Amino acid sequence: SQQGEEDPQALSIQEGENATMNCSYKTSINNLQWYRQNSGRGLVHLILIRSNEREKHSGRLRVTLDTSKKSSSLLITASRAADTASYFCATINAGNMLTFGGGTRLMVKP
Amino acid sequence: DAGVTQSPTHLIKTRGQHVTLRCSPISGHKSVSWYQQVLGQGPQFIFQYYEKEERGRGNFPDRFSARQFPNYSSELNVNALLLGDSALYLCASSLAGYTYEQYFGPGTRLTVT
Repeated sequence: SQQGEEDPQALSIQEGENATMNCSYKTSINNLQWYRQNSGRGLVHLILIRSNEREKHSGRLRVTLDTSKKSSSLLITASRAADTASYFCATINAGNMLTFGGGTRLMVKP
Repeated sequence: DAGVTQSPTHLIKTRGQHVTLRCSPISGHKSVSWYQQVLGQGPQFIFQYYEKEERGRGNFPDRFSARQFPNYSSELNVNALLLGDSALYLCASSLAGYTYEQYFGPGTRLTVT
């Protein structure tokens, strides 16, 4: 079973626009991570946010975490065609297992 | 430094056969995890090994087994292959446990016919 669920499942935007993806999870967590996957290959770690943090930035990425709502969001600003990929949230729970959601497939049109 | 490497890249097997997938972690990383990713879904955790000991196991049947060697490389074995085992198998390494970010290899695409 998958802990996190991303929303939307698919997103299509124009280059330069912002993309927002949301993730909801079910159990308490130690931290939450976001990964990117290009064309069904290996995943690339984007950002990790700990359970006691509310917001984190990395370049054009902004991640928020609301533990009371068990949700997180990933914002990509000024998107580029190269941002086209699938984005996954993954949670670490007390059992120390990394559990992924189903992913958001982002397409950025040039 | 080289990233996580996996072999083979692609593999085609027949139902009932056995398969061994291999993974070499990033130098200095002592933890290796295995994931199964079915097309259109997120990766599902199979195993984690740290310092050659199993630290976690996902909800997979006993047909799936793994081990980690003294050099921290790892093998994933799947016996009595089923059509449903067709997937991308991903290996990830990290310095220690899950609280650290995972570095993924390119994966092995397994097709069972």
